[in-house]
Amino acid sequence: KNEVEQSPQNLTAQEGEFITINCSYSVGISALHWLQQHPGGGIVSLFMLSSGKKKHGRLIATINIQEKHSSLHITASHPRDSAVYICAPDSGGGADGLTFGKGTHLIIQP
Amino acid sequence: NAGVTQTPKFQVLKTGQSMTLQCAQDMNHNSMYWYRQDPGMGLRLIYYSASEGTTDKGEVPNGYNVSRLNKREFSLRLESAAPSQTSVYFCASILGHFSGNTIYFGEGSWLTVV
Repeated sequence: KNEVEQSPQNLTAQEGEFITINCSYSVGISALHWLQQHPGGGIVSLFMLSSGKKKHGRLIATINIQEKHSSLHITASHPRDSAVYICAPDSGGGADGLTFGKGTHLIIQP
Repeated sequence: NAGVTQTPKFQVLKTGQSMTLQCAQDMNHNSMYWYRQDPGMGLRLIYYSASEGTTDKGEVPNGYNVSRLNKREFSLRLESAAPSQTSVYFCASILGHFSGNTIYFGEGSWLTVV
């Protein structure tokens, strides 16, 4: 089973700060998902990536498959970015194919 | 709208009662999942289905049954609810496990067993 470590577990920052959330995993994968969950809300996919870097607006995700590590960056953070961010390494189908980190609780203060 | 539809959103059950959580997706996805989310535990897989008619146990299957009668629908049944099954339940689906495929989640079902 893929062991997933996310850091930090909790992060409080001021509006405008550059945010980095890290994800490390133990087993080789084909791709990795970054997910966002607002308090009391559903879960939405931000990125799925298998190599290099992807950018959507102020969000950037990078992955290094060889080092088994991915990062999610938020530039010019805003209070609406306050949420739980979850990484999910994807090693294919099957019951063990998709595993989840425990999430990073991010609070952006105005 | 395309996506994963999950019902009910909220439910309170008495210990020993049964209920079924319904999930349907209209994106022609093959893989479907049922997860539970508990504080400090993250998302844990209850059951997985790779295609119509096939299901596999996940990390926490005890006390649950599932049914994948067609490609669209994947239901989760609690035969005799217990307080330990108080949780938030999420259904999810994905077309395939390769780059470019997004995983979609239902809005969640908040279940309380008293």
